[in-house]
Amino acid sequence: NAGVTQTPKFQVLKTGQSMTLQCAQDMNHNSMYWYRQDPGMGLRLIYYSASEGTTDKGEVPNGYNVSRLNKREFSLRLESAAPSQTSVYFCASSGPTGNTEAFFGQGTRLTVV
Amino acid sequence: AQKVTQAQTEISVVEKEDVTLDCVYETRDTTYYLFWYKQPPSGELVFLIRRNSFDEQNEISGRYSWNFQKSTSSFNFTITASQVVDSAVYFCALTTYSGGGADGLTFGKGTHLIIQP
Repeated sequence: NAGVTQTPKFQVLKTGQSMTLQCAQDMNHNSMYWYRQDPGMGLRLIYYSASEGTTDKGEVPNGYNVSRLNKREFSLRLESAAPSQTSVYFCASSGPTGNTEAFFGQGTRLTVV
Repeated sequence: AQKVTQAQTEISVVEKEDVTLDCVYETRDTTYYLFWYKQPPSGELVFLIRRNSFDEQNEISGRYSWNFQKSTSSFNFTITASQVVDSAVYFCALTTYSGGGADGLTFGKGTHLIIQP
């Protein structure tokens, strides 16, 4: 019972490099999310996908793109990484309404130097 | 716009003391959902409880209890007889449902709870 799986767990990038964070869930959830967590800031929503085929911006979308590849997979891409994107990234998924909890992946610790 | 405020940045208590974590929320929606998550030092996010806006019934689960009051827009969390293993960052969060799916959680900044032996 894997739940939400994120890869990689750790990554160091140089400024200007690109990378894609992968996320997959095996709970047949409609909705998927990407958050970033910075010290003292809580978690902030970057992008979300309420259902397969749709994506929407969250609170802090600048510098990121997403792809909802299918119902299981939701990727986050940094086209040109900046030091301000150093953070811990969490992927999550949930059922179709707000009355279900979100399940989170283990997180990706990204450092941009 | 939605907002969740956890005014207590850090709380430190001695083991066996009771401790209450405060959460105040703002939303214009009449239907919304509130959550508490725990983040232990290992970093994962652990779901604790969910409440919808129509259910103001308080809940007790072992040493944990939650007090939801719409009149004060608060959803406070109490740990009774705290233990060292309760040491973690606790997040309160809010979401609404737009009809197309859940809109994502708005988190408070978290309360770092330290239980000293």
